[in-house]
Amino acid sequence: QLQLQESGPGLVKPSETLSLTCTFSGGSISSYTYYWGWIRQPPGKGLEWIGNIYYSGTTYYNPSLKSRVTISVDTSKNQFSLKLSSVTAADTAVYYCARRVGGDWYFDFWGQGTLVTVSS
Amino acid sequence: QSALTQPASVSGSPGQSITISCTGTSSDVGSYNLVSWYQHHPGKAPKLMIYEVSKRPSGVSNRFSGSKSGNTASLTISGLQAEDEAHYYCCSYAGSSTLVFGGGTKVTVL
Repeated sequence: QLQLQESGPGLVKPSETLSLTCTFSGGSISSYTYYWGWIRQPPGKGLEWIGNIYYSGTTYYNPSLKSRVTISVDTSKNQFSLKLSSVTAADTAVYYCARRVGGDWYFDFWGQGTLVTVSS
Repeated sequence: QSALTQPASVSGSPGQSITISCTGTSSDVGSYNLVSWYQHHPGKAPKLMIYEVSKRPSGVSNRFSGSKSGNTASLTISGLQAEDEAHYYCCSYAGSSTLVFGGGTKVTVL
């Protein structure tokens, strides 16, 4: 059974780096077919695409976040990760990881999301 | 890259049909047939309902349909049911390997 599970600290201090990991189970993250992505939803707001990564390490980022975002993949652990630096309260959100169909631009499978609050 | 525009809320009675609009620009919705729609019940994982404007994934009810005209995409839910009450988000490819989402629409079944 397919599962995407986000994990990481639920509380991050302003100016620090937010770090999350997404573990994929029920399949291989090294599949040629899929990309892997991060999406977030601030409280009371809509979804915002953060970026995508292929198993080879190729990345695509939202231009508005690109200077602060790093997405990486660890195929040995079937995981991919998100780092967002210099966070502020505006980065408080539910963060989702998801699977994107390669050659297309939609997410066919999502994790349940994890809330990250930026506060001192 | 601005968020796609969706109405904040849409409501309908059971059995009725409703349509949610998703307005973008000639740089995203208008240029690519790569619009997708997601259903989101609070606390759960978002679910893909429509991809490539009008295609339905296996397992999604045929009560859900998608279309596009110019810079506006639409999601229609026919035969509205209580279980359809959720938030719905559109998403479009925006060129240069980027994606943009809409602000979301809350669907209420009266």
